[in-house]
Amino acid sequence: DGGITQSPKYLFRKEGQNVTLSCEQNLNHDAMYWYRQDPGQGLRLIYYSQIVNDFQKGDIAEGYSVSREKKESFPLTVTSAQKNPTAFYLCASSIQGGDQPQHFGDGTRLSIL
Amino acid sequence: LAKTTQPISMDSYEGQEVNITCSHNNIATNDYITWYQQFPSQGPRFIIQGYKTKVTNEVASLFIPADRKSSTLSLPRVSLSDTAVYYCLVGDEYGQNFVFGPGTRLSVLP
Repeated sequence: DGGITQSPKYLFRKEGQNVTLSCEQNLNHDAMYWYRQDPGQGLRLIYYSQIVNDFQKGDIAEGYSVSREKKESFPLTVTSAQKNPTAFYLCASSIQGGDQPQHFGDGTRLSIL
Repeated sequence: LAKTTQPISMDSYEGQEVNITCSHNNIATNDYITWYQQFPSQGPRFIIQGYKTKVTNEVASLFIPADRKSSTLSLPRVSLSDTAVYYCLVGDEYGQNFVFGPGTRLSVLP
């Protein structure tokens, strides 16, 4: 089945550690996105990429980094500079173009130990 | 970039029609309007998309007035399983400028 896979589903981090969240898609989509969602809140855009080896900052990029070396993969690193990383992280992909809907993974819930 | 507003929450009863409105006063000429549904601890799912007038699919209708400053998602005859958060997204045709609304929490009561 085609889809978008995020792993792990739950992730724990000690203070001061970097951690990388995985996002893989086999939909052959050009565009990929990372969002952060806090409890009871909406989605905030962290980074997005419309093509391999290119990505743009979203509204809350500070403390995060991404790479897009392959079309199907868009990992997100939460660095130690992100002071409040506990949140639900959602990855999405789409065919390039604003008239194309985004397909979401089931998210990774990150918690600080 | 169009700023969007939605009601925070709505209640309905099973079998009723529900209309959720998203306001986007400064929508640009080439912006599309897309609606998503999200259940707890899951990613949002696409419901419907439109540019103007009315769009209908097997689960919902989307009404967009001529000035396009708002849009209304219509869910016919809701059931308990429609309890979820509904988000509107306004974005340009290039996928470079887009913003999600704050979401509307719909509770369907028996």
